[in-house]
Amino acid sequence: DAGITQSPRHKVTETGTPVTLRCHQTENHRYMYWYRQDPGHGLRLIHYSYGVKDTDKGEVSDGYSVSRSKTEDFLLTLESATSSQTSVYFCAISDRGTYNEQFFGPGTRLTVL
Amino acid sequence: SQQGEEDPQALSIQEGENATMNCSYKTSINNLQWYRQNSGRGLVHLILIRSNEREKHSGRLRVTLDTSKKSSSLLITASRAADTASYFCATDPARGAQKLVFGQGTRLTINP
Repeated sequence: DAGITQSPRHKVTETGTPVTLRCHQTENHRYMYWYRQDPGHGLRLIHYSYGVKDTDKGEVSDGYSVSRSKTEDFLLTLESATSSQTSVYFCAISDRGTYNEQFFGPGTRLTVL
Repeated sequence: SQQGEEDPQALSIQEGENATMNCSYKTSINNLQWYRQNSGRGLVHLILIRSNEREKHSGRLRVTLDTSKKSSSLLITASRAADTASYFCATDPARGAQKLVFGQGTRLTINP
């Protein structure tokens, strides 16, 4: 398995609280992605990074921010969590972006009450 | 809207039979990828086919790509119980910026 971990794996929080999810890789891949997976919507891209301090928005970026201060870590922050952000969040990495495969982490199940 | 749309949404077959899933997309692509997701797990890459390729094989997997029809199919031959999973196609749009676009997936169940 590719060296990619996500933390926490499960989290329950309340509406209005800030939440940070962490993705950590040991593969030294350039590209990192955050997706959310919801029934009926498949996987949707939230934000991605193409290098340290280089990030861009995805399809569903409203309400989310990201940071990448070093190659191995990509943080996803929900500034003020809402119930609509209840989802399973996946991080993925790639060394050549979309030109080859992405490796996925195990996911974080987030519940916002 | 989603670039890739899988068909059928769910498929149930007997072990040993072949399973075929289809993916349609809307815009020109650089490549199309298929992923598998077991329940409660992350996605695992199966195969990538580039826009200038028409067919690709990997073990019991066969993928075809028809760019004129903007469609792809994934064939799993001699299915096994362990093939039970959701299968997703993902497209790399030709004018995109290093972003894959995933379909909603096909849920495949292999009955023993």
